[in-house]
Amino acid sequence: AQKITQTQPGMFVQEKEAVTLDCTYDTSDQSYGLFWYKQPSSGEMIFLIYQGSYDEQNATEGRYSLNFQKARKSANLVISASQLGDSAMYFCAMREVLANSKLTFGKGITLSVRP
Amino acid sequence: DSGVTQTPKHLITATGQRVTLRCSPRSGDLSVYWYQQSLDQGLQFLIQYYNGEERAKGNILERFSAQQFPDLHSELNLSSLELGDSALYFCASSGTLTTVANYGYTFGSGTRLTVV
Repeated sequence: AQKITQTQPGMFVQEKEAVTLDCTYDTSDQSYGLFWYKQPSSGEMIFLIYQGSYDEQNATEGRYSLNFQKARKSANLVISASQLGDSAMYFCAMREVLANSKLTFGKGITLSVRP
Repeated sequence: DSGVTQTPKHLITATGQRVTLRCSPRSGDLSVYWYQQSLDQGLQFLIQYYNGEERAKGNILERFSAQQFPDLHSELNLSSLELGDSALYFCASSGTLTTVANYGYTFGSGTRLTVV
């Protein structure tokens, strides 16, 4: 069964505006980690942000923040003040402690930033 | 440089051939993971090795095999290649399995395989 759901097929945002990329997950584990990765057109996978299931505060890393709503099983990525270089594919991923530590990825969301 | 080294970066080969992709994990990382990224399948987990032993298997075809050597580098062998095997193959590494779930992966830059 799919554990990470990213349903937005493609997102567009105006430069300097904020954008939210949606991610929902499914797990019966109590201890897990949620991650967002960025994949620009060059192909490399760049780690952006992490949220632990027991973390009470939403994670933030510079212009990235993670809107973690545990009861709703959602972990949306918020990018503030979008830049042209933010145009990329974004993947949400989850790592369950009991699943041999492999990361399970969503299908990704394409973000295009317009000047 | 992420610290995870994958070679080669690009590979073009014919159907029916065999290729070997190589990965050197970040210093100190014991786990190596292989992923396949194709346009229609997204990022698919293939296999994981931990300190030389196979730990988990995902959607890896029987034509594919992998191993992790004593120096912790890993190789992914793809044989009897088909057009559908064309994809970006990622290697990633992470720390010990006793690390809590907040330890993410460090990805290599990938090997882009094109089967013609």
